[in-house]
Amino acid sequence: DGGITQSPKYLFRKEGQNVTLSCEQNLNHDAMYWYRQDPGQGLRLIYYSQIVNDFQKGDIAEGYSVSREKKESFPLTVTSAQKNPTAFYLCASIGRDRGLAAGNTIYFGEGSWLTVV
Amino acid sequence: AQSVTQPDIHITVSEGASLELRCNYSYGATPYLFWYVQSPGQGLQLLLKYFSGDTLVQGIKGFEAEFKRSQSSFNLRKPSVHWSDAAEYFCAVAPTGGTSYGKLTFGQGTILTVHP
Repeated sequence: DGGITQSPKYLFRKEGQNVTLSCEQNLNHDAMYWYRQDPGQGLRLIYYSQIVNDFQKGDIAEGYSVSREKKESFPLTVTSAQKNPTAFYLCASIGRDRGLAAGNTIYFGEGSWLTVV
Repeated sequence: AQSVTQPDIHITVSEGASLELRCNYSYGATPYLFWYVQSPGQGLQLLLKYFSGDTLVQGIKGFEAEFKRSQSSFNLRKPSVHWSDAAEYFCAVAPTGGTSYGKLTFGQGTILTVHP
């Protein structure tokens, strides 16, 4: 079945360590997104990519980095510069050629929990 | 910049009672509007969306929402709540036009508790 796969589901990070969250989709979507979710704050956009080898900062990009070397993959690295990384991270995607106006749906992965220990 | 407000952080209803979750948005024009539901520790599931046309939108699981342009609102309703509806609900908007599709702005969420 087509969908978005995020891994790992649970990840623990030590102080000063970089960690990478994986997001893979087999929906042939061009655009992919990373959101961070904290209790009581909804979801906030970290980074997004509308095409391979291109990505843009969202509202809270500091302390994060991404790459988009393949259409189906959009990994997120949480760097040691991110001072409060404990959160739930959600990846999403949508087809670019038709986009929202054509009635396409934004698909979300099941999320990854990151905890600093 | 667009923004979304969900005034109710937590709502408790009895099973079988009706439900209305409020959502107000701020945007220069009519945005794309969404309601998502999230069970604990899970991803988001789309309940319904409004792009244009009929202002009363039907979604999955018996939910509906009404877009009211004059009030900048997109409230979610269900006539009879089931215990399985207990979850967190998010209202979201996305800008129309341009290349900003998918850049959703979310409300803070409303946690729904259902009493038997």
